Formats: sequence, structure tokens, C-alpha cells
Amino acid sequence: GAVVSQHPSWVICKSGTSVKIECRSLDFQATTMFWYRQFPKQSLMLMATSNEGSKATYEQGVEKDKFLINHASLTLSTLTVTSAHPEDSSFYICSAPAFPGPDNEQFFGPGTRLTVL
Amino acid sequence: DAKTTQPPSMDCAEGRAANLPCNHSTISGNEYVYWYRQIHSQGPQYIIHGLKNNETNEMASLIITEDRKSSTLILPHATLRDTAVYYCIVRAPEYGNKLVFGAGTILRVKS
Repeated sequence: GAVVSQHPSWVICKSGTSVKIECRSLDFQATTMFWYRQFPKQSLMLMATSNEGSKATYEQGVEKDKFLINHASLTLSTLTVTSAHPEDSSFYICSAPAFPGPDNEQFFGPGTRLTVL
Repeated sequence: DAKTTQPPSMDCAEGRAANLPCNHSTISGNEYVYWYRQIHSQGPQYIIHGLKNNETNEMASLIITEDRKSSTLILPHATLRDTAVYYCIVRAPEYGNKLVFGAGTILRVKS
């Protein structure tokens, strides 16, 4: 199947700093990518839809100024957690469909574990 | 997206079939049923999906009832590596590729 990578796989930062997480589709182009966060022992929560060439669409309750999303190319989306605080510590996961429409699988990255001290 | 209901946890003996149920009684005619699994601290992995007919691939089988209000994921010969959280998701075309995860079922395969 298609491969989605994330970088870094883990990051530790000080409170107040910003952290950028990259999501790449390695062998296919993705006009849309999705960002999720997952707290320990909880399910994945969809944060936003990243759209190539246009603004991201955020789910209700997600602060768009806190979580900046840029879909710079057909193979790269970035999530920047601005002014990170300990409550932002979480597992961040991206995904991308190889093709549009609901009748096809979506590929997930391995995740990025963010720890804010 | 239609809401799904899954048991919080299940146990299965290694080598036996694991049958994971999912209720989606409010599913609409154009909504697909998807199954993903997540092994600890990894990204979710696609297993199988279907609309009306039963489906089978190298990983599993998906049995969808005739009224489409429930489905069962079958892992024919469970191994210890199948221990994971299994998510049943229904998705409508109007939501595009968006996947909304519920709580899932923790499957523990035991030797």
C-alpha cells in the first residue's frame, strides 16, 4: 500500500515554543490530508482537513491560530503547534487518501509524539 | 457520519477466529463501513471496507447484514500480533474522505 511518513517521530520542547510536524505522502499525491490528535487511552480526534492550495478546514473546537496547517505541495502538509503548553502534549497523526471519494482506503502516518515541558 | 457501537473489549485465543461486531443502525444507503486497527503507539492500519456485499481480503472478512444495520469483522486465524484496538467507521460520500473514529474494541489475543 501507499506510504505516509511523519517527521519527527517524537519531539520534546519547552513551554511557549512552537513545534512543526511534517506529513508526507511518499509514493502518491494527496490534495487532501487529515490531522488527528490522540491522548493516552483515548481514540483519535480529527482536528482538521488540510487542503492543497487553500485554507485548512478545522473541526469544531479546534483553535486554528493555535494549530497552523500548511499544505505546501501535493505531497507535504505541515502542522505547527504554536506557543505549545503541557496540555498540547499528545500523539499527532496524519492521514491521506490515495484517491478522492469514500470508496477507497486512507493511509496513516506513524504518528508524532509531542511532549511539552 | 452514522454513529457506530462496538464492545469495549474482547478476548480471543491464538489460532481461533476473532469476530468483532459493530452496530450502525442509523446507517444511510450510501455510507460505507470501514474497519481500521491501531497497534499501540502506531498510526491506524486499514483492514477492509464495504458497502452492501460481504468482502474478503488477505487480512480479514467483512460480513454486512442484509439491512446494513450491523457488521462483523472476522480475523480467521488470530495471532498475538493482531492484538490492537479495532475501529468500525461508517462514512458517507458527502463527507469525502473524512474518517471519524469512535472508541473502538480492544482485542486481546491470548496464547
